[in-house]
Amino acid sequence: DAKTTQPTSMDCAEGRAANLPCNHSTISGNEYVYWYRQIHSQGPQYIIHGLKNNETNEMASLIITEDRKSSTLILPHATLRDTAVYYCIVRVAAIYSGYALNFGKGTSLLVTP
Amino acid sequence: KAGVTQTPRYLIKTRGQQVTLSCSPISGHRSVSWYQQTPGQGLQFLFEYFSETQRNKGNFPGRFSGRQFSNSRSEMNVSTLELGDSALYLCASSLGGTGDTEAFFGQGTRLTVV
Repeated sequence: DAKTTQPTSMDCAEGRAANLPCNHSTISGNEYVYWYRQIHSQGPQYIIHGLKNNETNEMASLIITEDRKSSTLILPHATLRDTAVYYCIVRVAAIYSGYALNFGKGTSLLVTP
Repeated sequence: KAGVTQTPRYLIKTRGQQVTLSCSPISGHRSVSWYQQTPGQGLQFLFEYFSETQRNKGNFPGRFSGRQFSNSRSEMNVSTLELGDSALYLCASSLGGTGDTEAFFGQGTRLTVV
């Protein structure tokens, strides 16, 4: 699976949009971009994933560049509960492929009042 | 529906002992994977089971093993415990049959080796 690069930490004011970047310049055509987050000492939580099109769900939006070499996770109105470590993960998602996530270091997002 | 359940939540063992951790996946999920999380190494993949067969394995010594039962429940075992095995062990389940899917994690088992 391709490697990802994320900033170590970011701050965001409560109520503002949090934009978390991820670089995955070696991504292959059959690799998806997944985002998970982990709130302190809890199990990671799935947020969103995409292949090439932008995706949106009730939690966040995922913007993938046209060349697929980078992406941005957007939390539209950050709350204090969004303070967590955010992981950008690239994985092959072929039918019956294994599920082994390479978490990396992630971005520690601090949402401040 | 019920989430991923890991038992026990906390465990204290002595160096040299062995330990077994349990994971019950979400109903209908056939893939169960295990991760170790430590402050120094972060979240690291241990292994994944699908339909009672190990499908992927991370870079851990043979002291770490696992199995999956016909009802998809999984156990992992660590033998001859070392102090460095102290960690949060996380289990995740996914449908497993199609590639484009997400994994759901349990709350983990906090293992302390003394």
